[in-house]
Amino acid sequence: NAGVTQTPKFRVLKTGQSMTLLCAQDMNHEYMYWYRQDPGMGLRLIHYSVGEGTTAKGEVPDGYNVSRLKKQNFLLGLESAAPSQTSVYFCASSPFVVNTEAFFGQGTRLTVV
Amino acid sequence: AQSVAQPEDQVNVAEGNPLTVKCTYSVSGNPYLFWYVQYPNRGLQFLLKYITGDNLVKGSYGFEAEFNKSQTSFHLKKPSALVSDSALYFCAVRFGYGGSQGNLIFGKGTKLSVKP
Repeated sequence: NAGVTQTPKFRVLKTGQSMTLLCAQDMNHEYMYWYRQDPGMGLRLIHYSVGEGTTAKGEVPDGYNVSRLKKQNFLLGLESAAPSQTSVYFCASSPFVVNTEAFFGQGTRLTVV
Repeated sequence: AQSVAQPEDQVNVAEGNPLTVKCTYSVSGNPYLFWYVQYPNRGLQFLLKYITGDNLVKGSYGFEAEFNKSQTSFHLKKPSALVSDSALYFCAVRFGYGGSQGNLIFGKGTKLSVKP
């Protein structure tokens, strides 16, 4: 089972460049999430989606955009990368029922120079 | 504001000793609480969850957690620690209702170090 797959796994960007991180899940989950993980900060929610065609802001949405055109995919975009966006990004998905656990991808390590 | 806190950045335990990783929460209504573990350069793995019912929840790899409503806590425990338990542990809460229904919010994490 593939579960939650993130691409790419590593990326180095120059300040001002743009890129899109792709998250794909094969479990037919309704909820999908994007987090960033920074030392001492834990996981902070960037954006999330409760279903195809819907997205919402999380705790730290500035500088990011998302889209959920297909139920299985959740894209995270950086329009103009900044060094402050250097982080490890995790995607997760979960079923609609709120008492169920989430499944995580392996992460994308992004460095903005 | 609904939140989850892990008061210890790091917990050090000798192998074979019991371990506790602390978590407290602030949630309106009934909480849905989770523990996840992260090994180096990996994603998060689910350990256990509290939904309702018994206050002592058993999970993977011999871990268990005790839910205490009066103290708003959900501490992770293991009777005998292994070196291989060394990892980063996250407590999380999921919102059950309202505009943020389904949101999954994490604590800052606690690094567990088990020494031989």
